[in-house]
Amino acid sequence: QQQVKQSPQSLIVQKGGISIINCAYENTAFDYFPWYQQFPGKGPALLIAIRPDVSEKKEGRFTISFNKSAKQFSLHIMDSQPGDSATYFCAATTWGYQKVTFGIGTKLQVIP
Amino acid sequence: DVKVTQSSRYLVKRTGEKVFLECVQDMDHENMFWYRQDPGLGLRLIYFSYDVKMKEKGDIPEGYSVSREKKERFSLILESASTNQTSMYLCASSLFFGGGNEKLFFGSGTQLSVL
Repeated sequence: QQQVKQSPQSLIVQKGGISIINCAYENTAFDYFPWYQQFPGKGPALLIAIRPDVSEKKEGRFTISFNKSAKQFSLHIMDSQPGDSATYFCAATTWGYQKVTFGIGTKLQVIP
Repeated sequence: DVKVTQSSRYLVKRTGEKVFLECVQDMDHENMFWYRQDPGLGLRLIYFSYDVKMKEKGDIPEGYSVSREKKERFSLILESASTNQTSMYLCASSLFFGGGNEKLFFGSGTQLSVL
């Protein structure tokens, strides 16, 4: 049972375009939603995260949009660059609980 | 910066062998985790530990066990390796959950092939 559903599994975007990755969750107890970025040969690293008391969080070219009523959140990468080519994982967890549940990942390729 | 070190980058084992994957973190983190990463399945939690000698099952613990004798070291054990355990194994650590420090630090992974 996939608690965090992520789409698409792969994405090709032209340089300068907007990359959008979507996630949905079922468990209403989730209250922290991080995104991790993984380059080939490396472990995932925290990119950006949001709590459900805000609808949007922006850090540079990366923005998380959060829709609590729909139980959905998404990552937008503005002005996508070839250096953004990586696998992106959305995730969810609950305050005070160590376990993090990940989506299946999206392999992003930004082409020149 | 936090460093999570996994002992091997690549490992090849035979079916039925006992396999040890070692992970060490250098930042005095309470929590340590073992995930496996498979294409199309994402990151799935095998086991985690929130203190020395403490462990909890994750989503896919079958066929695995863990050991945490010291705070900085967390070992994943495959008692009798099988071909369906061929995968990328990722170790992670975190300081604390629920206090605003909810960040996992991952190692670079061990690609295990079971023949």
